[in-house]
Amino acid sequence: EAQVTQNPRYLITVTGKKLTVTCSQNMNHEYMSWYRQDPGLGLRQIYYSMNVEVTDKGDVPEGYKVSRKEKRNFPLILESPSPNQTSLYFCASSSGQGIPNEQFFGPGTRLTVL
Amino acid sequence: AQKITQTQPGMFVQEKEAVTLDCTYDTSDQSYGLFWYKQPSSGEMIFLIYQGSYDEQNATEGRYSLNFQKARKSANLVISASQLGDSAMYFCAMREVEKVHNDMRFGAGTRLTVKP
Repeated sequence: EAQVTQNPRYLITVTGKKLTVTCSQNMNHEYMSWYRQDPGLGLRQIYYSMNVEVTDKGDVPEGYKVSRKEKRNFPLILESPSPNQTSLYFCASSSGQGIPNEQFFGPGTRLTVL
Repeated sequence: AQKITQTQPGMFVQEKEAVTLDCTYDTSDQSYGLFWYKQPSSGEMIFLIYQGSYDEQNATEGRYSLNFQKARKSANLVISASQLGDSAMYFCAMREVEKVHNDMRFGAGTRLTVKP
């Protein structure tokens, strides 16, 4: 089954404790991205990657890191989480080509930083 | 600058009636795509419908249709014969095809509640 998986689905942590949210897709997609969803703001892009070893900042990259060592994986790293990073996070992938070229989303990770 | 505007934070509709969710967008590109996603209370994002800027016909997918008015830069989602399972958050999104990194811009969303 074609899918994007994220782990963990739920996480409660404390300020300053480094964490990683994993993302993996099995569709051989080149393009992957991370979004955060906050009430009244919709989804905002954190980072994106157009291919292996190619990553760039989205609209709200502060406090986050990513890496793309393999095509299928795109982990999101919070080196020192803060309460304002409490949010719902989505990983997404797309082929980057063709029509409609919609993004396929993972199930989401609900993060709470105390 | 906000590229996607959804002016209705919340909407109510009676079961079996039709409802229109508004979306306006802002772009100077000629080539772009418009998307609608549904997010039920379980949280996942479900792709509903797509409209390309060059498509002359309004897109339809089952009970979903997209009322595309290019000159007004609006891409409203119409749900016909609403069902209780349609209660969810709905997001309008746009991709500007000519942009280098091909990302999607989302609106703030509209929460639809279908009443029995």
